[in-house]
Formats: sequence, C-alpha cells, structure tokens
Amino acid sequence: KQEVTQIPAALSVPEGENLVLNCSFTDSAIYNLQWFRQDPGKGLTSLLLIQSSQREQTSGRLNASLDKSSGRSTLYIAASQPGDSATYLCAVYPYSGGGADGLTFGKGTHLIIQP
Amino acid sequence: EAGVAQSPRYKIIEKRQSVAFWCNPISGHATLYWYQQILGQGPKLLIQFQNNGVVDDSQLPKDRFSAERLKGVDSTLKIQPAKLEDSAVYLCASSPRGTAPRILTEAFFGQGTRLTVV
Repeated sequence: KQEVTQIPAALSVPEGENLVLNCSFTDSAIYNLQWFRQDPGKGLTSLLLIQSSQREQTSGRLNASLDKSSGRSTLYIAASQPGDSATYLCAVYPYSGGGADGLTFGKGTHLIIQP
Repeated sequence: EAGVAQSPRYKIIEKRQSVAFWCNPISGHATLYWYQQILGQGPKLLIQFQNNGVVDDSQLPKDRFSAERLKGVDSTLKIQPAKLEDSAVYLCASSPRGTAPRILTEAFFGQGTRLTVV
C-alpha cells in the first residue's frame, strides 16, 4: 500500500527566505506526482504536476523535483512571501492499468511566512 | 472554464441523521472522485467514477456511505446515518481520464463541503 510522508509537518520562516518542502513515497511505481496548496477552509489548488518521465517542473518562484527511484520529491519556494502561507500537499498517482488512479496524499506541510 | 462546483459549502447535522453532498464536475471530464479530508490529514479517496461506472470504491464505508453518478455528469455522496467521526471536508475532483491520453489527466478539485456532526 502506497504511503506518502511529508517533512516537516510545520514550518515558520521570515519573509524572503528560500525554503524546501520534502515528500517521500514508499512505492516508486507511480505515474505522476502533484503538489497542491490548500488555504484554510478552501479546496485544493494545483501548483505543479510532474510526470513520471520528468525530473522537475517550474512555475514562477516554485520548482518541484522528482526522483522516482529513491521515492522522493521536493518543492522549492524562492524568495518566500507572506501570501505563500498555506498548507502544501504532495500526492502521487498510482501506476495502474486498470483505471483506478485516485491520488494518495501526504498529511501536508503547514507553512507560515512571517512578514 | 468553470471549475468543479460543490454544494453545500457547510453542513452541521446531529449524529444518526443523514446528509447529501452534490458535485458538478468540469464539463467533459469523464472521471469524478470523492475524497474525505479529516482535520490535520491529507485527503483520502472514497470513490472514483468513470462516466457513470464505479472504478474504485475500496475505501468507501459502504454500510453508511453511498454515491451515485447518474448520466455520467453530476454526482451525489450520501451518509446515512452519520457518526461523529464523519466530521470532515468532503472534496470532489474531476479529470479528463478516460477521454484523454493519461499523460494529460490532471485532477481538479472543488472547494469542498465542510461537514460537522454533533
């Protein structure tokens, strides 16, 4: 059974710092990996989707990397801003040929950027 | 493009009552998912539909939870009777999986329904 772990569970840093959020998964047979942002009381906003054949994806100040063989992904946030404060969730799509491809999520990293 | 719509946004019920949630996926998306997110946890898949057929319901507590997707578009998730531990956010997501190459099948999430059982 796939398990996804995110470290750290919570992080508080001053504005302007670069930071790294970590995600690990136990079964390397994944199809894609997706990073989401969740604001309090809100749904999930997709940040980056990394296909299994890719090593990284970039969007603005965000960069996500994927190492399937070691079961790891990192989300790098450059020049953090107070608006980046949210919970960041990592999720993996199974490599299923039968059509079942529901995401397996980690518990998230709760990020606070201090002004 | 309109996103995934869910209603209601919030619901408070007493234990042993029943409740229903509604989801309207992105137009043209063949696949629809329901997830349960308990406070402090990541979302957990309850059920996956492709068109109006169930693909995966292995984590759905079938003694109290039911879901349907008539006509392959809108979906409803029902809980009857509700328990205190059902308090959570219920998220609906959709993807073009089934009508598009899998490489393109990213899931898009709605705002969720926050259920409180008292």
